[in-house]
Amino acid sequence: QQPVQSPQAVILREGEDAVINCSSSKALYSVHWYRQKHGEAPIFLMILLKGGEQKGHDKISASFNEKKQQSSLYLTASQLSYSGTYFCGTQDPNSNSGYALNFGKGTSLLVTP
Amino acid sequence: DGGITQSPKYLFRKEGQNVTLSCEQNLNHDAMYWYRQDPGQGLRLIYYSQIVNDFQKGDIAEGYSVSREKKESFPLTVTSAQKNPTAFYLCASSRAIQNRGTGYTFGSGTRLTVV
Repeated sequence: QQPVQSPQAVILREGEDAVINCSSSKALYSVHWYRQKHGEAPIFLMILLKGGEQKGHDKISASFNEKKQQSSLYLTASQLSYSGTYFCGTQDPNSNSGYALNFGKGTSLLVTP
Repeated sequence: DGGITQSPKYLFRKEGQNVTLSCEQNLNHDAMYWYRQDPGQGLRLIYYSQIVNDFQKGDIAEGYSVSREKKESFPLTVTSAQKNPTAFYLCASSRAIQNRGTGYTFGSGTRLTVV
């Protein structure tokens, strides 16, 4: 089942913050976050495994709620290099795809000078 | 450096023709995946393989076929039965299908166009 991402698109000025959400109707095994530049391979950002978990590096962090049905990606003090499309990928072993990731439709992020 | 190599980068297919997309990894990963990407649709799972000589259908397997004869290789064939094959195809790999703690590594993709 494809997770639901919001917003679909966001435009920021350099230095502003953004939050991208990823939600599922069922509890998840894990949530992954990726960033993709146009025409390039998605790049792995981080994975969350436990309910209530928060992790991050530099100015990009993420959380996984207690029920393990929603994750949020936080981008603080955005830089031009943060521009791209962000995808969450979720694992639900009880789904048709087993442990393979199901990806949301993506959130397009544009950071302007 | 280890990674995933997809070839070709661009591929043109005539109507009724089968084409094969190559995916090779030297990461010693057990699991490999094929995704299709269309504008505004995210990545949709075509096939995945947990181990050599084993693979399972994903959400949109119709019109596609795969093989996994070697750990390093997971080629995807787009058959003439796939009615709308024009898309960006991404191959990925991971240490294990359960993948606790590590993410997927993606190839740089193949853009397939029907002419």
